[in-house]
Amino acid sequence: NAGVTQTPKFQVLKTGQSMTLQCAQDMNHEYMSWYRQDPGMGLRLIHYSVGAGITDQGEVPNGYNVSRSTTEDFPLRLLSAAPSQTSVYFCASSRTGGTGELFFGEGSRLTVL
Amino acid sequence: GDSVTQMEGPVTLSEEAFLTINCTYTATGYPSLFWYVQYPGEGLQLLLKATKADDKGSNKGFEATYRKETTSFHLEKGSVQVSDSAVYFCALKAGSNDYKLSFGAGTTVTVRA
Repeated sequence: NAGVTQTPKFQVLKTGQSMTLQCAQDMNHEYMSWYRQDPGMGLRLIHYSVGAGITDQGEVPNGYNVSRSTTEDFPLRLLSAAPSQTSVYFCASSRTGGTGELFFGEGSRLTVL
Repeated sequence: GDSVTQMEGPVTLSEEAFLTINCTYTATGYPSLFWYVQYPGEGLQLLLKATKADDKGSNKGFEATYRKETTSFHLEKGSVQVSDSAVYFCALKAGSNDYKLSFGAGTTVTVRA
C-alpha cells in the first residue's frame, strides 16, 4: 500500500551544495510532478512528466532538474542550492486517462542555510 | 492563464459551526475543479471533485458545487469537528488533455472544542 514515496523527509543543505529528492510510485501512473509549498503561495509546479523519457517545465523550474528513466521514479535535483529553495517539496502522480486526481507523497522539508 | 483564487485564512471556528471557504477560478475552457485537504504533517489528499458545471462533489460531510455562471466552487460543511482542522486547497485542471493542477494559496482552518 505504498502509493507515492518520497525521500528524504528532512534535509539541511549549505548554499551551493547539490542534492536529489527521490520520488517513487507503485501505481503505474504515467503522470508525475513536483511541487513546492511555501507559506501564502500554495503549491507551485516545478517540473512534470507524462511518461518515461518525457519531462517539461512548470511555473518555477529554475534551479531544478528532473529526469524520468522509468515509469516509477521521478527524482528532483537541486544543482546548487540557494536559500530561496528552502521549502516543502511534494511529489504527486496520476493516471493520464483519469479525472485528474493527484496522489501525493508525504513531502520533503528542505532547509538551505 | 488558468488560475484559482481562494479566501485567505486563517479561519478559526468552534465545533459544530458552519464552514464556508470561497473559491473562484479563471479558465478559458471547461476545467475540472477539486478540493484537497492537508492534515498537519501530511501530504495533500483529495477531498472532493466536480468535472462539469452544476456537478456537486461531496465527501466526509463537505460539499462544493461547480457554478459556471459565477466561476465558483465554494466548500461548505454544516457542522465542523476538531478533526477537520487542516489546510484546504482549491485546485483546477484545465482540460481533459492537461494533467497539471493549479492550486490556490490554501486556507488554514482551526476548529476549537
